[in-house]
Amino acid sequence: QKEVEQDPGPLSVPEGAIVSLNCTYSNSAFQYFMWYRQYSRKGPELLMYTYSSGNKEDGRFTAQVDKSSKYISLFIRDSQPSDSATYLCAMSDWMDSSYKLIFGSGTRLLVRP
Amino acid sequence: DTGVSQNPRHKITKRGQNVTFRCDPISEHNRLYWYRQTLGQGPEFLTYFQNEAQLEKSRLLSDRFSAERPKGSFSTLEIQRTEQGDSAMYLCAHSGRLTETQYFGPGTRLLVL
Repeated sequence: QKEVEQDPGPLSVPEGAIVSLNCTYSNSAFQYFMWYRQYSRKGPELLMYTYSSGNKEDGRFTAQVDKSSKYISLFIRDSQPSDSATYLCAMSDWMDSSYKLIFGSGTRLLVRP
Repeated sequence: DTGVSQNPRHKITKRGQNVTFRCDPISEHNRLYWYRQTLGQGPEFLTYFQNEAQLEKSRLLSDRFSAERPKGSFSTLEIQRTEQGDSAMYLCAHSGRLTETQYFGPGTRLLVL
């Protein structure tokens, strides 16, 4: 079983919809949580960073971390066709001095005009 | 702009050949990481440097792989005697203002025939 699980999708929504993307994880030592957006044949782009539990909002994006359930979410409001990409969750262990990231396999999102 | 450039962007080689990739952070960041990403998967950690010291290597990094970061600035990743299984996107990342965050370059896509 992978340390980080993510539904690969694809997830297809109409423009303007609210999108919910999720990851579950097994390592309770994960403390740093990130969401990356990756367009086809490009490098991942950091969207959101959250430390430990709680919510963080940035424009149309909201990241949530529920450490008790080992579950993280990314919400996208008023989705746009330009949001069509693969979304990767990533996390790292506070006891690991390398801060190396453990990624989910990514969810492919398609926002239809 | 993530502050990381990678060259070449694409590389096609024949099995058994050696290849070298380069990563250039725009400014000198303390930590530099290499990841590998195969189709439909999230990036997987290969190795990282703190300044010029290579501090950790993944078991994915077989003895055919070698990485260097002379003078703590740019880094190179060399693969000797390439195999078809080495075909992947090779990503370089540097740590951000917050040590636990990472910013990725555009990647080098390798195809081994």
